[in-house]
Amino acid sequence: DAKTTQPNSMESNEEEPVHLPCNHSTISGTDYIHWYRQLPSQGPEYVIHGLTSNVNNRMASLAIAEDRKSSTLILHRATLRDAAVYYCILRDNFGNEKLTFGTGTRLTIIP
Amino acid sequence: GAVVSQHPSWVICKSGTSVKIECRSLDFQATTMFWYRQFPKQSLMLMATSNEGSKATYEQGVEKDKFLINHASLTLSTLTVTSAHPEDSSFYICSARDGRGLSGKLFFGSGTQLSVL
Repeated sequence: DAKTTQPNSMESNEEEPVHLPCNHSTISGTDYIHWYRQLPSQGPEYVIHGLTSNVNNRMASLAIAEDRKSSTLILHRATLRDAAVYYCILRDNFGNEKLTFGTGTRLTIIP
Repeated sequence: GAVVSQHPSWVICKSGTSVKIECRSLDFQATTMFWYRQFPKQSLMLMATSNEGSKATYEQGVEKDKFLINHASLTLSTLTVTSAHPEDSSFYICSARDGRGLSGKLFFGSGTQLSVL
């Protein structure tokens, strides 16, 4: 699996937008960009994924660079419940099904 | 959305005993499930891929005789930690892919905290 690089930690104030970056310079043409998050003492949960175009859902937005070598997860208005470790993962839907987790970004929300 | 149920949520056992963890896909069929292990402050580490009706595929360094995986049906996979020792204490998490559609997203159980005394 191609590797991703994320900052170890980030902080954000409550009710402000949060931009979580991810670099994936070795991404291949068939790799989807997935984001998962893990709240304390829980299993990860799916946040969003995309291939080339920006994506929006009720949880977040995903902005993908034109060259696909980086992406940004956007939480439009952070709440305390968004405090979690966020993982950016590349996944080839046409072959290897497993997800390989990196170290992720630990997001702290300041009240 | 799809739901994966994992049981038990936590278990404490004596050294040398075996512990079974169940992972069920509640509203979809999962031909493939994945088992992860997570130590405190660390990321998830994939242990094995569980395939319905066939043998599991283990990641390098994971002892298949110690971590027995059975995927007896399209909705149930079990992980048995045999002869558990304190170093096996960890957070174990299962996941499954909802095969409907091509999104490829995985759904995770809530995890099992295993403490071996």
